[in-house]
Amino acid sequence: NAGVTQTPKFRILKIGQSMTLQCTQDMNHNYMYWYRQDPGMGLKLIYYSVGAGITDKGEVPNGYNVSRSTTEDFPLRLELAAPSQTSVYFCASSYLKPPGSGANVLTFGAGSRLTVL
Amino acid sequence: GENVEQHPSTLSVQEGDSAVIKCTYSDSASNYFPWYKQELGKRPQLIIDIRSNVGEKKDQRIAVTLNKTAKHFSLHITETQPEDSAVYFCAALGNTPLVFGKGTRLSVIA
Repeated sequence: NAGVTQTPKFRILKIGQSMTLQCTQDMNHNYMYWYRQDPGMGLKLIYYSVGAGITDKGEVPNGYNVSRSTTEDFPLRLELAAPSQTSVYFCASSYLKPPGSGANVLTFGAGSRLTVL
Repeated sequence: GENVEQHPSTLSVQEGDSAVIKCTYSDSASNYFPWYKQELGKRPQLIIDIRSNVGEKKDQRIAVTLNKTAKHFSLHITETQPEDSAVYFCAALGNTPLVFGKGTRLSVIA
């Protein structure tokens, strides 16, 4: 069981470039999330997915896109990278039962540190 | 939507003392409250959680209390050790995905 695997671990982009952060989980979790964490700050939700084919915006979705074609994979696409997107990105997954019926323990990936220059 | 406030933002304690971190939430529908610990350069990891039908939960030196009426919950760490130094995040789950507080940087001074 690898858990949540993110690639790449580090990346430097030039302004205006595009890239995709990959995320895959092998726990058969239905929910997947992308968070960003700016230096010394908390976790802000970018996008999340409740299952294959379904995605929803979080708190800070602008400048990003996601897709969820399979249960396992949830890539995050950055179009036209900007310095404000310099951050550490965490993918996470969880198995969420119907609302109110239980816990929602998130398993995080190791993070991807992105610098936009 | 849910809003989670966390205090203090930084906390320094002497080794062996207790540390308390407090969070408030806004959505009365929230029913699950986890705490995550993030060591420097690492990913956040769950350390303890509590559901809305429980007032207190303990796990060795860590405890969490929940006051649903006042909409606040707290993390208590007793007999702090240097390895407790980290950033701690509270979170709340209701009808939306987990909403995190801004974090508390705890420093345990030997």
